[in-house]
Amino acid sequence: EVQLVESGGGLVQPGGSLRLSCAASFSSYWMNWVRQAPGKGLEWVANIKEGGSERYYADSVKGRFTVSRDNAYNSLYLQMNSLRADDTAVYYCAREVAWRGGMDVWGQGTTVTVSS
Amino acid sequence: QSALTQPASVSGSPGQSVTISCTGTSSDVGSYNLVSWYQQHPGKAPKLMISEGSKRPSGVSSRFSGSKSGNTASLTISGLQAEDEADYYCCSYAGSGTFGYVFGTGTKVTVL
Repeated sequence: EVQLVESGGGLVQPGGSLRLSCAASFSSYWMNWVRQAPGKGLEWVANIKEGGSERYYADSVKGRFTVSRDNAYNSLYLQMNSLRADDTAVYYCAREVAWRGGMDVWGQGTTVTVSS
Repeated sequence: QSALTQPASVSGSPGQSVTISCTGTSSDVGSYNLVSWYQQHPGKAPKLMISEGSKRPSGVSSRFSGSKSGNTASLTISGLQAEDEADYYCCSYAGSGTFGYVFGTGTKVTVL
């Protein structure tokens, strides 16, 4: 059974930075980050092409978050800078089943809390 | 990019069918056959139930089906079972403006 494992979540002060990781041996797939604020719905955050040549972001994180991947180390990353209280959420990494067709494999999520 | 619109809740008795609507715009749902549906139980990660509008991944019950008409996509659950009680989210390709996804507001399905 394929699986994804996120790590790197925690408590950070407003304006701070955090880097999330996702162990993922999916070099032939687009990968995504999706988040869910407490008691709220799902929000797409960012995605990255198989080789890393294309990356796209939600307007809410553009300019503050950077998605990257290292296929040699089977890892996906989300560098989060200038964090705000409304970035507080569970962050999931997810594999894309087909180009923008949906996400078929999800991690268990890692919790990011932005608070002073 | 605004979230797709779903009803907050739907309910049905065991064995009945329920349908969840997902309304977007001509820029997302209406332009592409790229709507997916997710089931999420409390405290768990989402699970893909329908991809690319109507494709059912391996292991997903045939009781789940997806369709689309214009700017509105739908998920139908037939033969409702107790384990179907969960939150359901639609999701669509958001178009060339973002090259990403837009999720729906979510629907709580209650089995009476």
